[in-house]
Amino acid sequence: AQSVTQLGSHVSVSEGALVLLRCNYSSSVPPYLFWYVQYPNQGLQLLLKYTTGATLVKGINGFEAEFKKSETSFHLTKPSAHMSDAAEYFCAVSGSGGYNKLIFGAGTRLAVHP
Amino acid sequence: GAGVSQSPSNKVTEKGKDVELRCDPISGHTALYWYRQSLGQGLEFLIYFQGNSAPDKSGLPSDRFSAERTGGSVSTLTIQRTQQEDSAVYLCASSFLAGSYEQYFGPGTRLTVT
Repeated sequence: AQSVTQLGSHVSVSEGALVLLRCNYSSSVPPYLFWYVQYPNQGLQLLLKYTTGATLVKGINGFEAEFKKSETSFHLTKPSAHMSDAAEYFCAVSGSGGYNKLIFGAGTRLAVHP
Repeated sequence: GAGVSQSPSNKVTEKGKDVELRCDPISGHTALYWYRQSLGQGLEFLIYFQGNSAPDKSGLPSDRFSAERTGGSVSTLTIQRTQQEDSAVYLCASSFLAGSYEQYFGPGTRLTVT
């Protein structure tokens, strides 16, 4: 079985500050991990993914995440927040089987204030 | 051509009525997924298609929910005898291959059952 826990349903940062969104997962098989972003009234857009190989993955819009197996974590970071980063962020896990049904966390709403 | 499209974008229906939600995946994508996003349950997997077959229907919440896919392309999610708890945003996603880890999401259909 797989599950995802996102710590903090709401995070607020100042423009230019570090963004850190936390994600911990549980998986009985080697996990594939994803971060998606959802802007109001839109679908989900993939920010980045970890499947195999390098544990530090870089995504779009300056975001990156590090897979830490020992901590079962996949936290999302961005060095300097921009107003346009305000959105809801979802961490997801899937197995490495023949298809990848996504199991999502509850989401974290990021607010960026001037 | 364009991304995943879904129709209608919004649907208001009376309790007890049947509804059909449509998904047009990206051309050539063989895998298609339906998810549901609701306030109480977050983002949940409903069903997965590979071609016209649905090897995983485990997320369908009741036998009032069904889905089909024809021609390896368009998919329809049908909810019979709608209930208020069916109110949610229904998201469709597609990917090129079942083992391809990037799912492209549509904008969703917002279903409101009154």
